[in-house]
Amino acid sequence: KAGVTQTPRYLIKTRGQQVTLSCSPISGHRSVSWYQQTPGQGLQFLFEYFSETQRNKGNFPGRFSGRQFSNSRSEMNVSTLELGDSALYLCASSWGTVRTEAFFGQGTRLTVV
Amino acid sequence: SQELEQSPQSLIVQEGKNLTINCTSSKTLYGLYWYKQKYGEGLIFLMMLQKGGEEKSHEKITAKLDEKKQQSSLHITASQPSHAGIYLCGAEYSGGSNYKLTFGKGTLLTVNP
Repeated sequence: KAGVTQTPRYLIKTRGQQVTLSCSPISGHRSVSWYQQTPGQGLQFLFEYFSETQRNKGNFPGRFSGRQFSNSRSEMNVSTLELGDSALYLCASSWGTVRTEAFFGQGTRLTVV
Repeated sequence: SQELEQSPQSLIVQEGKNLTINCTSSKTLYGLYWYKQKYGEGLIFLMMLQKGGEEKSHEKITAKLDEKKQQSSLHITASQPSHAGIYLCGAEYSGGSNYKLTFGKGTLLTVNP
C-alpha cells in the first residue's frame, strides 16, 4: 500500500512569489492535514480537509490556503512569499475520525530567498 | 507556555542503555501520539494511546499514558544507533469530528556506538 506522497520534495522561491504544494493521501483516507515545521516554532498545524471541506484551521495568515479534490488529494498554496515562510511543510493522511492514526509524508522543503 | 512539554530536549546515550522521554500536557488529553523523525524528513508513526493506563509496545519501544498526570512516557530498552532521531509527541485535545494534532518541541536522541 502506497504511503503519503508529497511533491515536490524541494523548492526554492523568491520573495513575493507564490507556491503550490501537493499531497496524495493513503488510498481510502479522506482527511488531509497540513503542518509547518521550523526550528524555532516546531510543528504547527495549518489546516485540515475532509471530503473537500476545510474542518479546522490554525493561526496562519490568509496567504496560506488549501483545497482538497474529490479523490482526496490536497494542495496548499502560499501567496506573496516571505523569508519566514521557509520551512518543511508536512501533510498527514488519516481516516478522519477521532483517535485514528495519522501518517505523514516526507515533506516539502521550501526555501524562500 | 507550551500546551505540550517534552523532556528532555536532547539526550545522548551509549548503545545498549535504556532511556525515557516524557511528554506532559497542560490540558486534558483525548489521544496521545508518538512519532519519530529523521532530520529534515517526514514523521514515522510509532504509537497512539487513548486511555489512561494504556501501554503499547513495538519492538524495543514502550509507551504509556498516565491519565491522572496527563503525561505520557516513551521508553527505549537496550538502545541502538537505529533509534537515533527526533521523537515527537502529538496531542489530540478535542473530541468530535475536527482533527488536528498539537506537537511538543521534540527530543533529539543520539545513540553512541
